[in-house]
Amino acid sequence: GAVVSQHPSRVICKSGTSVKIECRSLDFQATTMFWYRQFPKQSLMLMATSNEGSKATYEQGVEKDKFLINHASLTLSTLTVTSAHPEDSSFYICSASRTGEQYFGPGTRLTVT
Amino acid sequence: AQTVTQSQPEMSVQEAETVTLSCTYDTSESDYYLFWYKQPPSRQMILVIRQEAYKQQNATENRFSVNFQKAAKSFSLKISDSQLGDAAMYFCAYRTTYNDMRFGAGTRLTVKP
Repeated sequence: GAVVSQHPSRVICKSGTSVKIECRSLDFQATTMFWYRQFPKQSLMLMATSNEGSKATYEQGVEKDKFLINHASLTLSTLTVTSAHPEDSSFYICSASRTGEQYFGPGTRLTVT
Repeated sequence: AQTVTQSQPEMSVQEAETVTLSCTYDTSESDYYLFWYKQPPSRQMILVIRQEAYKQQNATENRFSVNFQKAAKSFSLKISDSQLGDAAMYFCAYRTTYNDMRFGAGTRLTVKP
């Protein structure tokens, strides 16, 4: 149990376009989901905390208008990178919380050309 | 703010030998959780072991054990009988009272046959 999926696993988009990444908890309900960003050979950096039915809480330095997070149901959170630029290219990982434990998705590699 | 420090960017161990990965953290909280995660080349985060701060007994999971020194704010991971499949990035993590995770910079473990 406690499986988290992400879609897509890889995406390439042109500069200036928007891309949506989905995070789903497949076999449990998650009131809280987290979005992380990981640059090559670096650690995971928390971007935002997503709570079902309410606005996401963003970490300092993360542009909320650029990284739109929606947590519309107990099993789905989405991250939309708006007006993407090459510097947004990164590996994005979500996690879903159940009874305080975090379960990680497999990640999404975003490349902006 | 909680910070997690891993001072060993890279470690190497001979197959079947034992290796210890270091982690220190800083917090003013008295109750918290600490984790070690493994990230293989697939980038999927895999939970290795967790420790609850209020428990004095060190956590153990098969070949993996921790040395938790609460007063020193130290949380090292010992891998016994190292196997080739243990080669990966290892991240030490602290879970805050808000349930989000703070990760260390990571240690890349190489296992030599």
